[in-house]
Amino acid sequence: GENVEQHPSTLSVQEGDSAVIKCTYSDSASNYFPWYKQELGKRPQLIIDIRSNVGEKKDQRIAVTLNKTAKHFSLHITETQPEDSAVYFCAASRAYGGSQGNLIFGKGTKLSVKP
Amino acid sequence: NAGVTQTPKFRVLKTGQSMTLLCAQDMNHEYMYWYRQDPGMGLRLIHYSVGEGTTAKGEVPDGYNVSRLKKQNFLLGLESAAPSQTSVYFCASRREGETQYFGPGTRLLVL
Repeated sequence: GENVEQHPSTLSVQEGDSAVIKCTYSDSASNYFPWYKQELGKRPQLIIDIRSNVGEKKDQRIAVTLNKTAKHFSLHITETQPEDSAVYFCAASRAYGGSQGNLIFGKGTKLSVKP
Repeated sequence: NAGVTQTPKFRVLKTGQSMTLLCAQDMNHEYMYWYRQDPGMGLRLIHYSVGEGTTAKGEVPDGYNVSRLKKQNFLLGLESAAPSQTSVYFCASRREGETQYFGPGTRLLVL
């Protein structure tokens, strides 16, 4: 089955710097890769996702890149702000296919942005 | 459109007691999930359902049962609560081919 590894487990940056979180996956048939942000005491919320037919997707200060050959994808946050502090989870799945569409999550990265 | 809701928000149980957590969604999603989240362990899948009347085991199903009698509801039961089941429980749902949405969570403390 699918396995998702996420690194680093913790990341501390200064406000205004960039942050990069990386994930690798094992199932070459996976074609959907969402990223969730979870603030303390809150639910995980989708911030960006990418499908395997594109290599990069941007939304303001957030971008995700996908390398299907190497089976890894990354989250890039530019010009970090204190409100970006949270735990970020990557996930992978086959978008279609019953239970094979179940998301497999990485273990999370705790991002701290210092003012 | 309330999205995914969970009841209760917080509960304290004594060891051996039973309880049911309710998840409801109003998005007509086929798939529903129950996760538990413990510090440093990420999100672990307990049980899931691919449609009304169906259930399946996830990564950590022991000590839990589920039912999906109606498409919009997914119930998680603890038959005999244990301190190891102290956790935050999240429900989630999705439509085929689309992203997954989470409920607000239920904090459970088993003494």
